[in-house]
Amino acid sequence: SQTIHQWPATLVQPVGSPLSLECTVEGTSNPNLYWYRQAAGRGLQLLFYSVGIGQISSEVPQNLSASRPQDRQFILSSKKLLLSDSGFYLCAWRTGEIAGEYEQYFGPGTRLTVT
Amino acid sequence: GQQVMQIPQYQHVQEGEDFTTYCNSSTTLSNIQWYKQRPGGHPVFLIQLVKSGEVKKQKRLTFQFGEAKKNSSLHITATQTTDVGTYFCAVNYGGSQGNLIFGKGTKLSVKP
Repeated sequence: SQTIHQWPATLVQPVGSPLSLECTVEGTSNPNLYWYRQAAGRGLQLLFYSVGIGQISSEVPQNLSASRPQDRQFILSSKKLLLSDSGFYLCAWRTGEIAGEYEQYFGPGTRLTVT
Repeated sequence: GQQVMQIPQYQHVQEGEDFTTYCNSSTTLSNIQWYKQRPGGHPVFLIQLVKSGEVKKQKRLTFQFGEAKKNSSLHITATQTTDVGTYFCAVNYGGSQGNLIFGKGTKLSVKP
């Protein structure tokens, strides 16, 4: 079965510090991978998606970046964090489409607080 | 860009009462998905609706897709405390990438 891992689970970082969040997927190959951010009490905002190694598409311009160095590894980074980067960061992958239907699975998330 | 409106934003019910959340789009949707996020947890896929007028049931949960494929609803019969959480609808706008736009969610609280 497929599983998705994220770490760390929680993180407190000062403004201006760098960030690296990692997501790995097991049990599937060549998945579509996604990074979402959820501000406190808010909905989900898609930040980046990737359809393959080295392929990154950004949905929202900001000081974050993403990389996919391996098939099942997706990394979210920042060189200098802003207070507004605080939130719940979720990685997700998508199953293949069958008869127009597919499912998206989320990792456990990383709660980032920028102080 | 495509948007999906979800109402209500919050719903407080007494245990045993029914609950319904609605999603509406100004454009015709190819499909719609529903997710549940427990407090402190991550969203969990519940179901996907694809066909016009489709109705699917999961125990006490009933999902409907409108005939025009512009709206959908999630109805919970006789809520329980385990139903607490935020329910999101999500629509596909990204073609083969399967990128989803999520509604803002309906936060359900159930008073025992």
